[in-house]
Amino acid sequence: DTAVSQTPKYLVTQMGNDKSIKCEQNLGHDTMYWYKQDSKKFLKIMFSYNNKELIINETVPNRFSPKSPDKAHLNLHINSLELGDSAVYFCASSQELLAGNNEQFFGPGTRLTVL
Amino acid sequence: DQQVKQNSPSLSVQEGRISILNCDYTNSMFDYFLWYKKYPAEGPTFLISISSIKDKNEDGRFTVFLNKSAKHLSLHIVPSQPGDSAVYFCAASGRYSGGSNYKLTFGKGTLLTVNP
Repeated sequence: DTAVSQTPKYLVTQMGNDKSIKCEQNLGHDTMYWYKQDSKKFLKIMFSYNNKELIINETVPNRFSPKSPDKAHLNLHINSLELGDSAVYFCASSQELLAGNNEQFFGPGTRLTVL
Repeated sequence: DQQVKQNSPSLSVQEGRISILNCDYTNSMFDYFLWYKKYPAEGPTFLISISSIKDKNEDGRFTVFLNKSAKHLSLHIVPSQPGDSAVYFCAASGRYSGGSNYKLTFGKGTLLTVNP
C-alpha cells in the first residue's frame, strides 16, 4: 500500500490552462504539505495544512490554491499556468507540525511541464 | 537566501569506503537537522536526524555529526554500498514565522555515486 500517493505523475499542459494535482495519505497523519522542486533542484515548501487548516503559506502566487477536503487529502489547484510553474511538485505528510523533529513522508512527485 | 547549503553537487566513492556528505547552514535558530535520500522518480525518504543540542547521532552505517559553532553538519556512510547511490538532501527544521509550527528548509542535494 502506497503511503503518500499523488496523481497524476506527469502533467503536460499549455500556458494559461488551469490544472489540479491530487494527494492522498493513508498514514493517519494530521499534517500535509506541498513542496516545489524547480530546475535548480531546490525543494521549497509552498503550503502546509494541519487537520484541514492552513498552517504554512509561503510566498506563493495566489494562482496556487491548496484545498484539504479532509485530513487525508491535500489537493493543489493552479490557475493560469505559466512557463515558470514547470517543476516537480511533491506532497508530503507528517504526524504533527508542532515538533521540530517531524519526519515527513513524501509522495513520488508530479512532474508538471507548461508549454 | 540559501539558509541551507550543500556545496558539492556530486560525490563518487568506491564500494566499501566511507562517504562524507557535507552541509552548511546560516540560521542558528534551527532546532533539528535531517537527512533525506532520494532515488530517481521517487520522493525523498527520511534517513537520519540530529537535534541541535547533540553533536552526533548514529544509526547503523549512517552517522550524522553536528558542529554548531561552525554551523556545519556532515553525514558519514560507512561502508558505502552501491545501493546507497542516490541524491542526499540536508534539511533544517525551524519555527515558521516565529510561531509554534515548524517547517523544513532543504539544501540542493548531493548526488552520491558508489562504484562497485
